[in-house]
Amino acid sequence: DIVMTQSPDSLAVSLGERATINCKSSQSLLYSSDNKNYLAWYQQKPGQPPKLLIYWASTRESGVPDRFSGSGSGTDFTLTISSLQAEDVAVYYCQHYYGNIYSFGQGTKLEIK
Amino acid sequence: EVQLVESGGGLVQPGGSLRVSCAASGFTVTNNYMTWVRQAPGKGLEWVSIIHTGTNIYYADSVRGRFTSSRDDSKNTVHLQMNSLRPEDTAIYYCARDSVMAYWGQGILVTVSS
Repeated sequence: DIVMTQSPDSLAVSLGERATINCKSSQSLLYSSDNKNYLAWYQQKPGQPPKLLIYWASTRESGVPDRFSGSGSGTDFTLTISSLQAEDVAVYYCQHYYGNIYSFGQGTKLEIK
Repeated sequence: EVQLVESGGGLVQPGGSLRVSCAASGFTVTNNYMTWVRQAPGKGLEWVSIIHTGTNIYYADSVRGRFTSSRDDSKNTVHLQMNSLRPEDTAIYYCARDSVMAYWGQGILVTVSS
């Protein structure tokens, strides 16, 4: 099974600054037949279910602010928040959906510095 | 409007069984993959199971052989039957639509304790 590893485990960033979260998979998530990376990003705030931010590694879900962006391919991926807002304090998870057995990264807790 | 509402959680003793359900509205479960995800208290998300639009169902290693996912098309509902429960199965159980999960229920707490 594919193992997802996020770094760092926690991150403190000043308001208005850039936040970068990394996600590494134990095998490539790039499917050769469609040239797509089967990787999604979620945001979870306390007491709430997760919210989908990004899928296909870089496609923003409808309604997600454009300060959120995803990049990467193969086994290495990044979620970037270009200018941190107070409402972005949350735990962020990557998830692969390659094959039939999926998994999440362990999560990255994002706080305000 | 898409809605997912979980039910059936509660307290169960180790070794016991419990079934949680997820009632869907605003779409048809028959035509969508349906996923179960759980979250132990204070921990991260754990993918549990997925039901494909046909008959294929897949499970995480941690629950395979103990948990069974099913779908009731007549009630537009999916179920997660959990047997041989262990304390480490204590978690909020979420149902979600599709493999990329844009729609989630609010979750239901399952506590396995003596």
